[in-house]
Amino acid sequence: SQQGEEDPQALSIQEGENATMNCSYKTSINNLQWYRQNSGRGLVHLILIRSNEREKHSGRLRVTLDTSKKSSSLLITASRAADTASYFCATGSGNTPLVFGKGTRLSVIA
Amino acid sequence: EAGVAQSPRYKIIEKRQSVAFWCNPISGHATLYWYQQILGQGPKLLIQFQNNGVVDDSQLPKDRFSAERLKGVDSTLKIQPAKLEDSAVYLCASSPSFAVGNTIYFGEGSWLTVV
Repeated sequence: SQQGEEDPQALSIQEGENATMNCSYKTSINNLQWYRQNSGRGLVHLILIRSNEREKHSGRLRVTLDTSKKSSSLLITASRAADTASYFCATGSGNTPLVFGKGTRLSVIA
Repeated sequence: EAGVAQSPRYKIIEKRQSVAFWCNPISGHATLYWYQQILGQGPKLLIQFQNNGVVDDSQLPKDRFSAERLKGVDSTLKIQPAKLEDSAVYLCASSPSFAVGNTIYFGEGSWLTVV
């Protein structure tokens, strides 16, 4: 079963706007990762946040984690057409492999 | 550094036929994964190897799917006989080791259409 659930399922914004995607999960985790998948390609790792961290930045990406609410958010600032892709959260716990959600499809319109 | 290589990229077969996918992970990566991704969904783990041993194959439909990783490097995933619902992208991935928090590196995937 898939633990992470992304919200919204699809998001369409104008270039230059910020995009926010959310991920909720059900059980305790050690870390949460975000991946991007361009159409017809494999997944690419974006950022990892550990369960004892609350916020992490990488370039135009900002990830937050609220373990009390079992949720995470991915913010992409000043979006570009090249950010158009599907974004997946994946949760890691114990010795179990990463479990991926169904993803958010982001469309950035130039 | 070369990434995860997969072949073939695309395959169309009829139901009840067989198909095999090949994966070459990043050099030195001990852990290898096969994921199945159905259109519009996230990847679902089929099998995970640590070197040439199976760590997790709980979601592998063993009546039709098989996978091996000879010598702890390359891996093949076989489907025999294929069903219509097997139409999906089969993603191979690798990581340096199976440690919590390791980044997983994905290949471009093998797209399977069963008609």
